[in-house]
Amino acid sequence: AQKITQTQPGMFVQEKEAVTLDCTYDTSDPSYGLFWYKQPSSGEMIFLIYQGSYDQQNATEGRYSLNFQKARKSANLVISASQLGDSAMYFCAMRPRPGAGSYQLTFGKGTKLSVIP
Amino acid sequence: NAGVTQTPKFRILKIGQSMTLQCAQDMNHNYMYWYRQDPGMGLKLIYYSVGAGITDKGEVPNGYNVSRSTTEDFPLRLELAAPSQTSVYFCASASADVNEQFFGPGTRLTVL
Repeated sequence: AQKITQTQPGMFVQEKEAVTLDCTYDTSDPSYGLFWYKQPSSGEMIFLIYQGSYDQQNATEGRYSLNFQKARKSANLVISASQLGDSAMYFCAMRPRPGAGSYQLTFGKGTKLSVIP
Repeated sequence: NAGVTQTPKFRILKIGQSMTLQCAQDMNHNYMYWYRQDPGMGLKLIYYSVGAGITDKGEVPNGYNVSRSTTEDFPLRLELAAPSQTSVYFCASASADVNEQFFGPGTRLTVL
């Protein structure tokens, strides 16, 4: 079974500063995928970034980067130069290895990020 | 491209009533999913499908049923609604060659 743990229920960050949202995971699969989704107050789920367990480099997408430490089973999201529009819930999620059935996601409980002007 | 669409957006049910939540995708994805999100929580998998005619239970299937007669559609049926089914329901789809899982806008269901 796969498990995602997000230990920060809420975080505050000053506008234009960087912030790190923590995510640890547990799995016995040798191959898996890790995701971050953003959920603004309007409720939709917005895909941010993906990291494969065998990817050699940490994933980056614009202001988002994923600090992947496989030995520590952590996949922290780093948001650089925070903007007011970054205020939202952020979910870390995991998917089984490609070819292992259904690709369903297991989600953490989320972290609520508030950006302060 | 509409992506993943869900109807209705909102619904209030009385205890014991039944309803079907509709989900459709136009990306020709084989994989489709239903999740529920309770207040302040992450998403939990209800049912999933790996292709037309194939469905299977997720983590929280009790009180729900699904069918997948076409690649595009994946309706979720609630029989005998209970207050515990008050939640936001998300439908999603994916394919084997794309890492992203695409989500619909959600259906907010209240059972009174």
